[in-house]
This record gives sequence, structure tokens and C-alpha cells, in this order.
Amino acid sequence: TQTVSQSDAHVTVFEGDSVELRCNYSYGGSIYLSWYIQHHGRGLQFLLKYYSGNPVVQGVNGFEAEFSKSDSSFHLRKASVHWSDSAVYFCAVSAGTGGYKVVFGSGTRLLVSP
Amino acid sequence: EAAVTQSPRNKVAVTGGKVTLSCNQTNNHNNMYWYRQDTGHGLRLIHYSYGAGSTEKGDIPDGYKASRPSQENFSLILELATPSQTSVYFCASGNKYEQYFGPGTRLTVL
Repeated sequence: TQTVSQSDAHVTVFEGDSVELRCNYSYGGSIYLSWYIQHHGRGLQFLLKYYSGNPVVQGVNGFEAEFSKSDSSFHLRKASVHWSDSAVYFCAVSAGTGGYKVVFGSGTRLLVSP
Repeated sequence: EAAVTQSPRNKVAVTGGKVTLSCNQTNNHNNMYWYRQDTGHGLRLIHYSYGAGSTEKGDIPDGYKASRPSQENFSLILELATPSQTSVYFCASGNKYEQYFGPGTRLTVL
């Protein structure tokens, strides 16, 4: 069974700062990892995914994430945040082969102050 | 142009009543999903579908039915709504590593 943990419930930064949102997972087999963003009152929007290959994957709007097998992590980063990046970010994991299950993390609320 | 739409966006229902939530996607995805989102529980899968005519139980299917009459449409049905089903419901299309969500339906059961 795969599990996912987002240790930071809230992160506050200033506009123009860099930010890293943490995601750790637990699963013994091949795995898909994804990040989603949810603005207030909206549905989740897909940002990026990783399955294999280059451990650094690029997403939309300047986001990137880095997979680390040794740390069981898939942290999301952005070099310079904008106020419009304020939202809740969800990490998600699913087994690479078979099954349907997607496990979403509890989310990290990012607040970007002007 | 929104690829996954949901209706209604808001719904107030009475306990014991029947509620149908509708979802339409123009992504031509085979797989569609219904989730509910509650504070403290995150996103939980109710039902999903692999294609027209198929419905499968997710993690919390009790009290819910689903219907997939076509590639584009996927409905969630609450035959006898209860206050514990008050929540925000999201439909999605895609696959397990890349999903596209609708805007959500806020359901209140009184």
C-alpha cells in the first residue's frame, strides 16, 4: 500500500522568494508521483508527474519537482513565486503497475505575501 | 474552454432525498473518477469508470452509485442522501498519474 505525507500544512513566503513544498512517500514498487494545485473554490489542476528517467521534472508556470529514491521524496520547487501561486498543493502517488488507487496527500497551503 | 464540467455547482438536498451529480468531459479519456473532499480527510475516491458502461467501486462507495452511459458522461447518484454526505464532490478524467478535475459541486444535505 502506498502512502504519501506532506509534512507542512502551511507555508508562507514573500513574492519573489523561492519555495520548496515537501512530499514523502512510502511504497516498495515502481511508482508514479504527481503534483496538483488547487486554488480556492476550484478543482485540482495537474502540475507535473514523474515515473522514470530524469529525476527533475518540469511543470507549468515555472514549477519543477525532484524525485529522490533514497529519500523517498518528490519535493516541488519554484525559484520565484508570484502572489497568484497562493493555493493548496497536493502530492499524489500511485502504483506504477496495475490497480487504480491514487493516494493524495493532505495538502500544503502556500501563501505568497506581496 | 473547460474540459471537465460538473452540474449543479451547488445543491441543497433533504435527508432521504435522491441526488444526482453530473459530469461531462471533452478530453476523450477512457477513465473517469468521482471524489469527495472534506477537511481532515483530503480527497477520497468514491467510484471510477474505465469506459462507457463500466463502473467500479473506489475506497468509499457505500451510499453512492455511479453511472457511465457514454464516454463523455459520468454521474454520481445518492439514492437516499444523508447529512454525512455533505461535502464537495469532484469529477475527474484521465488516468491515475494525470487527472483533470472539474470545478466541483458543493452538496449540503439537511
